[in-house]
Amino acid sequence: AQSVTQPDIHITVSEGASLELRCNYSYGATPYLFWYVQSPGQGLQLLLKYFSGDTLVQGIKGFEAEFKRSQSSFNLRKPSVHWSDAAEYFCAVGGLSGGYNKLIFGAGTRLAVHP
Amino acid sequence: EAQVTQNPRYLITVTGKKLTVTCSQNMNHEYMSWYRQDPGLGLRQIYYSMNVEVTDKGDVPEGYKVSRKEKRNFPLILESPSPNQTSLYFCASSQSTGSYGYTFGSGTRLTVV
Repeated sequence: AQSVTQPDIHITVSEGASLELRCNYSYGATPYLFWYVQSPGQGLQLLLKYFSGDTLVQGIKGFEAEFKRSQSSFNLRKPSVHWSDAAEYFCAVGGLSGGYNKLIFGAGTRLAVHP
Repeated sequence: EAQVTQNPRYLITVTGKKLTVTCSQNMNHEYMSWYRQDPGLGLRQIYYSMNVEVTDKGDVPEGYKVSRKEKRNFPLILESPSPNQTSLYFCASSQSTGSYGYTFGSGTRLTVV
C-alpha cells in the first residue's frame, strides 16, 4: 500500500541552526514527491517537488530535498533556519494511479524555532 | 491570480443541518480533490474528481457528497453533519499529470455541535 511516514511529530531548532525533516515513503512505482508547508491558519504551500532527474531539488524559501531511492526517503533540509520558518511541514507522495493524480500525505512535522 | 477559493472560511453548525462548502479554481485544472486535516493524521482525501461529471471516493468518503457539474467548481456537501466531521477542510486542484502537485485553497474550519 502507498504510504508516507514522517517520523518526527515535533522538532525544535534555534534560529540560524540547520534543519532536516525526515520523510519515508512506500510506493509501487517511481513516485512524485512533494514537500508542503502550512503556516498557522493558512493553506498549504508547495515548497518543492521531485519527479525525475537530479535527486537534489531546490525549492522556495531556501529549502532543498534529496531523493534517495535506496532508502525510500525524501528528506527536507535548510542550512540556516529563520524564525518565519516555524510552521507545519508535510511530505506527500503522488502520481498517476489508475489514471488519477493521487496525493498521499504524511502526518506532518511541526517545527518550532527558538530565537 | 491563479488560486483555489473556498467558502466559507469558518462555519459552526448543528448536528443534522445540511451544509455545502464551495470550491472554485481559475486555472482550468482537470483534477480536484477534497481533503480533511485532523491533528496527528495529516491530510486525508475525501473525494476527488478527474473531470466534469467524473468523481470517485477517496479514503474517508463516509458522510460526504460531491458534484462536478462545471470544471471550475467542486462543492462538498454534508447532508447530515455529525460532530466527528468537525475538522479543517481543504479543496485542491491539479493539472492532469501527477508531476505538478496540487494547489490548495485556504481551508474551511468546520465545527459541528
